[in-house]
Amino acid sequence: KNEVEQSPQNLTAQEGEFITINCSYSVGISALHWLQQHPGGGIVSLFMLSSGKKKHGRLIATINIQEKHSSLHITASHPRDSAVYICAVSSAAGNKLTFGGGTRVLVKP
Amino acid sequence: DSGVTQTPKHLITATGQRVTLRCSPRSGDLSVYWYQQSLDQGLQFLIHYYNGEERAKGNILERFSAQQFPDLHSELNLSSLELGDSALYFCASSGWPTGGIQETQYFGPGTRLLVL
Repeated sequence: KNEVEQSPQNLTAQEGEFITINCSYSVGISALHWLQQHPGGGIVSLFMLSSGKKKHGRLIATINIQEKHSSLHITASHPRDSAVYICAVSSAAGNKLTFGGGTRVLVKP
Repeated sequence: DSGVTQTPKHLITATGQRVTLRCSPRSGDLSVYWYQQSLDQGLQFLIHYYNGEERAKGNILERFSAQQFPDLHSELNLSSLELGDSALYFCASSGWPTGGIQETQYFGPGTRLLVL
């Protein structure tokens, strides 16, 4: 079993729909990161969380440390949100970053 | 634009060769991280440098080495290249407040390496 599991692997939504991506991890962490990778390959860091909830525009990220689970929500999805979303965790010892397999999101107009 | 630069953008070479990838972090960032993204393995953490010193090592092969120079730019050296080393290599930098692996990272555009 991978240390970081994301679901779903692929997701197709209609423009305007609410999207949720899940990330579960099995190790102790110091922080969880959500990254966005566009079709051209560039990677952007969306959020870095160690507790609670963060919001940026139409994106919301939450983390439940006790349940070792995080979610990334996209409200009012738009075709420009089409990308691969990657969850990564920083180890508690601060010496390792482990990535999930990514969720490929396609938002249709 | 993240402020992190990587050169070259593309590199095509042959098996057995050696290449050097270069990364310049954002101004003021002391940490540089290297990652490999291949089709079959996804994103993998290779190594982390902070202010010239190695801080953490991930799944970095012995054929690969890295260093961070006094001006904070970093180089990733890949030697005895194999077909399986073909991948996208990203570097990222972080700064405030500790430059640690738990901080927000800013990614460069990547170097696409093709080994033939």
